Amino acid sequence: GAGVSQTPSNKVTEKGKYVELRCDPISGHTALYWYRQSLGQGPEFLIYFQGTGAADDSGLPNDRFFAVRPEGSVSTLKIQRTERGDSAVYLCASSLAGGTNEQFFGPGTRLTVL
Amino acid sequence: GENVEQHPSTLSVQEGDSAVIKCTYSDSASNYFPWYKQELGKRPQLIIDIRSNVGEKKDQRIAVTLNKTAKHFSLHITETQPEDSAVYFCAASSNYKLTFGKGTLLTVNP
Repeated sequence: GAGVSQTPSNKVTEKGKYVELRCDPISGHTALYWYRQSLGQGPEFLIYFQGTGAADDSGLPNDRFFAVRPEGSVSTLKIQRTERGDSAVYLCASSLAGGTNEQFFGPGTRLTVL
Repeated sequence: GENVEQHPSTLSVQEGDSAVIKCTYSDSASNYFPWYKQELGKRPQLIIDIRSNVGEKKDQRIAVTLNKTAKHFSLHITETQPEDSAVYFCAASSNYKLTFGKGTLLTVNP
């Protein structure tokens, strides 16, 4: 079956602009996660959804970052007033349920803020 | 919160040799330890995982060991092949949040 998909694969924007990154999880997976991966680093947790609700958003760096999952499937990560330090690969993952279940990752969106 | 340290950061081996990557974690509540392989520009993919009720797990050429007392776990790859070349990440979790190490770049030289 289809894996986790993310769009766009690459996004180049200018400092101060607003961006939206989309994640399509594996069908039937109730848990969805966003991670951020900087060059030479492991993925860092941003936010976890169980169904439609954000169960844990403790990893979001500041209030410029926001994510939604209105119907419990597709999720959108929104970044306002982008800064050069936001440049990274944003990874989405999904799992069948929460807890310590295998997380399947998408290919990521490479965000570059000029 | 959890902190995961991973060593070495780079590892170069000859084809057919074994490779070992080691990780330590800080949170004694962690009970799930997956290993991901990430090829350049690709998504991380789970290669093996272990839970705290098990000390060792093996899948063909790959094995993982866990020492809960010492809070460390290791990945062992035997009979390495060029296609094993990638970045490997260890992670630890006590719930849903994965905390990753910084990764090990493994190069298998033919």
